[in-house]
Amino acid sequence: KAGVTQTPRYLIKTRGQQVTLSCSPISGHRSVSWYQQTPGQGLQFLFEYFSETQRNKGNFPGRFSGRQFSNSRSEMNVSTLELGDSALYLCASSSLTSSTQYFGPGTRLTVL
Amino acid sequence: DQQVKQNSPSLSVQEGRISILNCDYTNSMFDYFLWYKKYPAEGPTFLISISSIKDKNEDGRFTVFLNKSAKHLSLHIVPSQPGDSAVYFCAARLGAGSYQLTFGKGTKLSVIP
Repeated sequence: KAGVTQTPRYLIKTRGQQVTLSCSPISGHRSVSWYQQTPGQGLQFLFEYFSETQRNKGNFPGRFSGRQFSNSRSEMNVSTLELGDSALYLCASSSLTSSTQYFGPGTRLTVL
Repeated sequence: DQQVKQNSPSLSVQEGRISILNCDYTNSMFDYFLWYKKYPAEGPTFLISISSIKDKNEDGRFTVFLNKSAKHLSLHIVPSQPGDSAVYFCAARLGAGSYQLTFGKGTKLSVIP
């Protein structure tokens, strides 16, 4: 079974721009979560989607948003980028029958 | 307020010996705990998990112990191998049906040949 895939793997943007990251979960997994990893804060939960509905949201500003499509693929969007948004963005998927989340390789975002 | 803490940023162990990675948590509502291993430039890889109703779970060389009264869990790797060198994250879930994980900041394990 293919794992979680994320595109693109690397992105460079400038302050004020916006960015969209994509995640395809493991086949059959309907829950998709997003996390931000930075050296200072570690791995922090952004939000979680299930059946196209956001069920949980972490403590991030409204510039961070996401959505999930009917095929369970998910996108996250960051608007008005700031230098501090430079991070590794990780997507994880999970099935209904398991409490385990499986992570993709991440998208490395650099904001200049 | 860090609800999941890994107080040792790094650990060095000789090949063949036991590696013990520790994790403490503060929220008694956490009901499920996981350990992930992460190499640079890759996503975390799931290793092993434990439900709060158990105190031990084994999978090959990996064993996780949970002490609920102390709000402490540990990951034992026996025997340690050079390929185990990575950053290990402890994570906790807040209640059944929640897919929000709270992570510790990680412990970098170096296994010396």
